[in-house]
Amino acid sequence: QVQLVQSGAEVKKPGSSLKVSCKASGGAFSSYAFNWVRQAPGQGLEWMGAIISSLGPANYAQGLQGRVTITADESTRTVYMELSSLRSEDTAVYYCAREGYTYGFDFWGQGTLVTVSS
Amino acid sequence: QSVLTQPPSVSGAPGQRVTISCSGSSSNIGADYDVHWYQQLPGAAPKLLIYINTHRPSGVPDRFSGSKSDTSASLTISGLQAEDEADYYCQSYDRSLSGFYVFGTGTKVTVL
Repeated sequence: QVQLVQSGAEVKKPGSSLKVSCKASGGAFSSYAFNWVRQAPGQGLEWMGAIISSLGPANYAQGLQGRVTITADESTRTVYMELSSLRSEDTAVYYCAREGYTYGFDFWGQGTLVTVSS
Repeated sequence: QSVLTQPPSVSGAPGQRVTISCSGSSSNIGADYDVHWYQQLPGAAPKLLIYINTHRPSGVPDRFSGSKSDTSASLTISGLQAEDEADYYCQSYDRSLSGFYVFGTGTKVTVL
């Protein structure tokens, strides 16, 4: 059974950077796309970007271009999401999700709460 | 701002049928890109409910069904149950500059 386990909650200062990890177990790793999705308090889901480790660089949502970087480490089966120049509006729960062969996001991590506050 | 529009809320009594719409455009649903649906229970991660417009993953009750037509899609819950009270999101691909994958605005389903 596929499991995605994310790193723990974080509190960050405005202007700082954030790195969240997502470790995958079960199933293949390098041939699947891993996506990052965030959800601000009381708000909807926002797609941030995705990576397929066997295909190279990630794709990002236009609104986050330049601030977000998604990488994958095949040796540890871990996907990372870095977000820089944090502002209060980045306060959200961040999820990683595997994209199945049907292109739906079939497995999700438990979410990582990130609070940006001075 | 999402490019897929859903009603903020729908409600129904147990046993009733409710339908959630997902309205898109010619750059996403209307461009023949598939629609997926997710259920998010309070405090939990989203769960894939419907994939490729009409298909249910293993374990999803058959009271959930999806459809797609032109620039919109719908999720129907037939025989509403108390445990169906949750937020529901549609998702598709968008070929415009606004993004890659896009989610709907989300719909809160309340069981009366």
